Amino acid sequence: AQKVTQAQTEISVVEKEDVTLDCVYETRDTTYYLFWYKQPPSGELVFLIRRNSFDEQNEISGRYSWNFQKSTSSFNFTITASQVVDSAVYFCALSGTNSGYSTLTFGKGTMLLVSP
Amino acid sequence: GAVVSQHPSRVICKSGTSVKIECRSLDFQATTMFWYRQFPKQSLMLMATSNEGSKATYEQGVEKDKFLINHASLTLSTLTVTSAHPEDSSFYICSASPGAGNTGELFFGEGSRLTVL
Repeated sequence: AQKVTQAQTEISVVEKEDVTLDCVYETRDTTYYLFWYKQPPSGELVFLIRRNSFDEQNEISGRYSWNFQKSTSSFNFTITASQVVDSAVYFCALSGTNSGYSTLTFGKGTMLLVSP
Repeated sequence: GAVVSQHPSRVICKSGTSVKIECRSLDFQATTMFWYRQFPKQSLMLMATSNEGSKATYEQGVEKDKFLINHASLTLSTLTVTSAHPEDSSFYICSASPGAGNTGELFFGEGSRLTVL
């Protein structure tokens, strides 16, 4: 069975602070995909990143960066110099061979509150 | 632009009525679509897999007679919440993938927020 754990329920920071959102996953698949989504109050899921299990290179996209550590089954997400617009719920998710990589197992989400 | 579209985005209905939500793939044909449900301040949970031309597959604990799924074409799946009650109030999101040979690419609709009075 697959499982995604986001231990941080809520994080509050002040604008310009750096913040890291943790994600730990469990899977028996050797090939899988990891995702991060942002969900603003309006509800839609905003895709942030998809990472193949064979690609352990860290990735940076503007203020966002991701640290994939297969040895510890973690896929952490860091926002540098946070902004108020970053306030949202962030979900880490996992897909595997069980559904042909077509369905996601989501973590419970981390609510990020960035205050001015 | 969006490649998966849902309609309506918001719906309010009276208890006991039925509500239909549509999910369309705009740029590709999807033999399979997926429906998720998200209760307030909770995570997204897979409800069912919608299969074009055949019956949907429901996750454990999801009532198939309550949540009717029809996937009549390669670009449209519908979820009908029958005899809705306040406890069915939730955010419903669909997703689709290009299908065979999928390399993990998934697309989500914008979601439909159902409020049952």
